[in-house]
Amino acid sequence: DAKTTQPPSMDCAEGRAANLPCNHSTISGNEYVYWYRQIHSQGPQYIIHGLKNNETNEMASLIITEDRKSSTLILPHATLRDTAVYYCIVRAASNTGKLIFGQGTTLQVKP
Amino acid sequence: GAVVSQHPSRVICKSGTSVKIECRSLDFQATTMFWYRQFPKQSLMLMATSNEGSKATYEQGVEKDKFLINHASLTLSTLTVTSAHPEDSSFYICSAELGGYTEAFFGQGTRLTVV
Repeated sequence: DAKTTQPPSMDCAEGRAANLPCNHSTISGNEYVYWYRQIHSQGPQYIIHGLKNNETNEMASLIITEDRKSSTLILPHATLRDTAVYYCIVRAASNTGKLIFGQGTTLQVKP
Repeated sequence: GAVVSQHPSRVICKSGTSVKIECRSLDFQATTMFWYRQFPKQSLMLMATSNEGSKATYEQGVEKDKFLINHASLTLSTLTVTSAHPEDSSFYICSAELGGYTEAFFGQGTRLTVV
């Protein structure tokens, strides 16, 4: 699975959109981009995933660049409960559950 | 979504003893489960892949005789930390994959403290 690069930390004001970037320049054609988050002392929570098209669900939007070398997770209206470590993971469809976690981005939502 | 439950959520054991952590898939059958370990301020590290009815596959550097994994049924995988030492103190997390879903489902984690 391709390696990802994320900024170690970001701040966001409550109520504003949080935009979390991820670089995955070595991604290959059959690899998906997944986002999970981990709130302190809990197990990771799935957020969203995509292959090449932009995706949106009730939690977030995922924007993938046309060359697929980077993506952005967007939390449209961040709340204090969105404070967590966000992990961007690239994996092939065949590796459904085996996830290799990088260091992630610690998002601090501030009032 | 599917639910994965771990038990216990916290455990304290004495050095030299063994402790068992359970990972259950509550509303689905999981042929494959995964065990991760997370030290403070670090990311999750995959320890092993647990396959129902067969031996677990361990990642490089993980001692299979120390971290015993049993996946005897489609809804339960157990991780036993044998002869635990303080350096085994960590947050242990399991996950399960469900056929037809592309995302993994995680348990809430088990905080192990060895004293």
